[in-house]
Amino acid sequence: NAGVTQTPKFRILKIGQSMTLQCTQDMNHNYMYWYRQDPGMGLKLIYYSVGAGITDKGEVPNGYNVSRSTTEDFPLRLELAAPSQTSVYFCASSPYKDSRNTIYFGEGSWLTVV
Amino acid sequence: ILNVEQSPQSLHVQEGDSTNFTCSFPSSNFYALHWYRWETAKSPEALFVMTLNGDEKKKGRISATLNTKEGYSYLYIKGSQPEDSATYLCARNTNAGKSTFGDGTTLTVKP
Repeated sequence: NAGVTQTPKFRILKIGQSMTLQCTQDMNHNYMYWYRQDPGMGLKLIYYSVGAGITDKGEVPNGYNVSRSTTEDFPLRLELAAPSQTSVYFCASSPYKDSRNTIYFGEGSWLTVV
Repeated sequence: ILNVEQSPQSLHVQEGDSTNFTCSFPSSNFYALHWYRWETAKSPEALFVMTLNGDEKKKGRISATLNTKEGYSYLYIKGSQPEDSATYLCARNTNAGKSTFGDGTTLTVKP
């Protein structure tokens, strides 16, 4: 019953450092997503992927990069961490059988940039 | 309505009260409307998905309705319990599988 697994759960970064948030899903879903959630705000889409080898920008892509070399994995990379990237990050996936497209979320990664 | 909007932002009720909140969304190019329940320190979990105008869904004490022509959905909780305390998110689907989320309504049920 793994579902969507993301690591690490908590991380503190210094300004300018780089890191990768890992995400893997074992449900054979085509679609994968990265969202961020800032205090008092909803979920904002950073990047998404409709299948291996295909990625696209969401609402707030600046400062991030992604890759999708396999169906299972969708890592999110922060190249030069900035305080504005302090947030909770959620990886998610969906089967996209049709337009109903329910999303399944990971448990979140709390990132603080100091 | 250009974005998905939820109201109220937060709600405090007593145990046993019934309550409802609203999700408003652009009615054009509508494909589906989701409600998710998001407990603190956990990840959002799907409650309902609705696609047709007039759809009604129910799960225990929680139900939802959909009006695609005017672009809104209501979520109702009958006889609120402390375990219902959570943030309730709605999301509107476009084609191509992208979901736009509202900012959520945070419900606190006091014993």
